[in-house]
Amino acid sequence: DAGVIQSPRHEVTEMGQEVTLRCKPISGHNSLFWYRQTMMRGLELLIYFNNNVPIDDSGMPEDRFSAKMPNASFSTLKIQPSEPRDSAVYFCASSKAAAGANQPQHFGDGTRLSIL
Amino acid sequence: DAKTTQPNSMESNEEEPVHLPCNHSTISGTDYIHWYRQLPSQGPEYVIHGLTSNVNNRMASLAIAEDRKSSTLILHRATLRDAAVYYCILRRRGDDKIIFGKGTRLHILP
Repeated sequence: DAGVIQSPRHEVTEMGQEVTLRCKPISGHNSLFWYRQTMMRGLELLIYFNNNVPIDDSGMPEDRFSAKMPNASFSTLKIQPSEPRDSAVYFCASSKAAAGANQPQHFGDGTRLSIL
Repeated sequence: DAKTTQPNSMESNEEEPVHLPCNHSTISGTDYIHWYRQLPSQGPEYVIHGLTSNVNNRMASLAIAEDRKSSTLILHRATLRDAAVYYCILRRRGDDKIIFGKGTRLHILP
């Protein structure tokens, strides 16, 4: 079975440019999560969706960040304009069912983003 | 949110058992204990979870103290591929969110 698929795997761009990260969750999963990982701050939850609806975006750093989930099989995380401090590895994860803390999350391999 | 405390790092020899401790003294009755690990250059990977009873699966065993204030992840026979950061996490029943701490970096010596 295909796991969570993220693209691109690596992105290098200049400060000020728009960056779009993409995620395809596992089929049948109805919760989707975006995380950011840096050496300084570790793994941080940015936002998560249940049934394509954003539930908690309290981890989104600022208005430059936005996330959408137009359908059950696709989500984007956009940064506009990008800044060097946004450089990090961004992970997408998905899981079944909104209720119950016993549903494991399945993570993609991440997008390594470098803003010059 | 209830917090977990783990050692920053541990070492173990290959082919020996590894016991990774986690303290969670403020755990509530509806908190599940989850373990994830993150191999180098990969996303986190679910390992195991439990509520009150000890749990076993193909990857590991989870031993939960009777008062639930601590737990131990047991790798029965460590291999070099088990070198990773191991995260002990509390998840409240009905809560989708996972809050990751710093975890324990496990080094496996050949």
